[in-house]
Amino acid sequence: EPEVTQTPSHQVTQMGQEVILRCVPISNHLYFYWYRQILGQKVEFLVSFYNNEISEKSEIFDDQFSVERPDGSNFTLKIRSTKLEDSAMYFCASSKSSNQPQHFGDGTRLSIL
Amino acid sequence: GESVGLHLPTLSVQEGDNSIINCAYSNSASDYFIWYKQESGKGPQFIIDIRSNMDKRQGQRVTVLLNKTVKHLSLQIAATQPGDSAVYFCAETGDYKLSFGAGTTVTVRA
Repeated sequence: EPEVTQTPSHQVTQMGQEVILRCVPISNHLYFYWYRQILGQKVEFLVSFYNNEISEKSEIFDDQFSVERPDGSNFTLKIRSTKLEDSAMYFCASSKSSNQPQHFGDGTRLSIL
Repeated sequence: GESVGLHLPTLSVQEGDNSIINCAYSNSASDYFIWYKQESGKGPQFIIDIRSNMDKRQGQRVTVLLNKTVKHLSLQIAATQPGDSAVYFCAETGDYKLSFGAGTTVTVRA
């Protein structure tokens, strides 16, 4: 069964450094998403992406965040200057359409020191 | 504010019994709902979905019920197994995003 894959599984970064989280969505999906989950809390929406542009973003997704689909298979989340409060699990998801189930990867644990 | 929520944060169930997990939502315009299961160290895993034109949908050992009158969603798991131990989230979709509830932790007792 096709899966969403994310790399790395764990990223440790110094505060203020840039970090790029990578995702390979399911191949025939057209909609892509990033979510985050702070330890012990619920999953929070960050951004959705379709047709090479952002469809919607939350207030968490400020100017420090950006997304890109650099080629036909990868979908990336960049945090330009990381803060301690960016420490969380970051999940990528994809779906065939905006009104069909989103399928999630197993996440990248981001630890900011 | 939070638009989707679960009634109980934890549920302990005897192996073989049925489990019922509840969820309340506040956005009456929501028309599509999904239940996810999250095991430790993993991402949310799709279990079952339901659209607002239905009030019941069944899958393998799972049933989702939707009561639009009181804005309530439930997930029933038949013959609960140890592998069902996880955190369960309901989510509503709208505007290209999912809004998750806080989750219910299900623990299956042997």
